[in-house]
Amino acid sequence: GAGVSQSPSNKVTEKGKDVELRCDPISGHTALYWYRQSLGQGLEFLIYFQGNSAPDKSGLPSDRFSAERTGGSVSTLTIQRTQQEDSAVYLCASSLATDEQYFGPGTRLTVT
Amino acid sequence: AQSVTQLDSQVPVFEEAPVELRCNYSSSVSVYLFWYVQYPNQGLQLLLKYLSGSTLVKGINGFEAEFNKSQTSFHLRKPSVHISDTAEYFCAVRFNFNKFYFGSGTKLNVKP
Repeated sequence: GAGVSQSPSNKVTEKGKDVELRCDPISGHTALYWYRQSLGQGLEFLIYFQGNSAPDKSGLPSDRFSAERTGGSVSTLTIQRTQQEDSAVYLCASSLATDEQYFGPGTRLTVT
Repeated sequence: AQSVTQLDSQVPVFEEAPVELRCNYSSSVSVYLFWYVQYPNQGLQLLLKYLSGSTLVKGINGFEAEFNKSQTSFHLRKPSVHISDTAEYFCAVRFNFNKFYFGSGTKLNVKP
C-alpha cells in the first residue's frame, strides 16, 4: 500500500515569504506527527495530532508556525514570514494507536 | 516528564567489532520501544520494535535490542558491524499509547 507522502520534496523560498508543506498520511492512521531535522541534527518534535483530540503543539518553535489536519487525514504545516533558521528538512510521520511511526520522505526547505 | 536519553552522540568502531548503542527512558509505565536508522541522505526507517512478549528483539541487518524494564533501557547491539552500518540511530519510546518521544540520536561511524 501507499506510504506517507509529502509535498513538495524541495522548496526554496525568500526570507519573509510564507510556505505551506503538505503531508498525506497512510489511510486509517489516527496519529500524525511533524518533525524538523536541521543539517546534522536530530529530530525536533513540532506537533502531534491524535484522532479528534486537540493537537499537541508544544514543539512549535514560534507563533510563525502552525499546522492543521483536515478530516483526520491530510495535514498542512504553515510557516509564516520565513527566516533563514527555518531552513531544514521537515518530516511527517503517521501511525496507528499501537504501532510504529511511518515516515515520509521529507520536504527540504531552503530560505534564502 | 517523559524523556528518552541516548547518552552517546557519536560511536566510532572498527569494522567487524561489536557495538552497543544505549537508550534509556524516564518511566516504567506501559511502553512501546523502537529503534530507527537513518542512512546518509536518506529517510528514517524502522530497525526493530518491542511491543510485548520476549524482551530480546531481533531486527533487520543483524541488529537486536533487549528491553530491560527494571533499568528502563532498550540498548541496541550488533555482534559484528559493517561499513554499511554507518548511519544515525534513533531510539523512540511510546508511553501509554500516547505520542512518541525520540532520543537525540547516535551517529555510528564504522571504520575499515
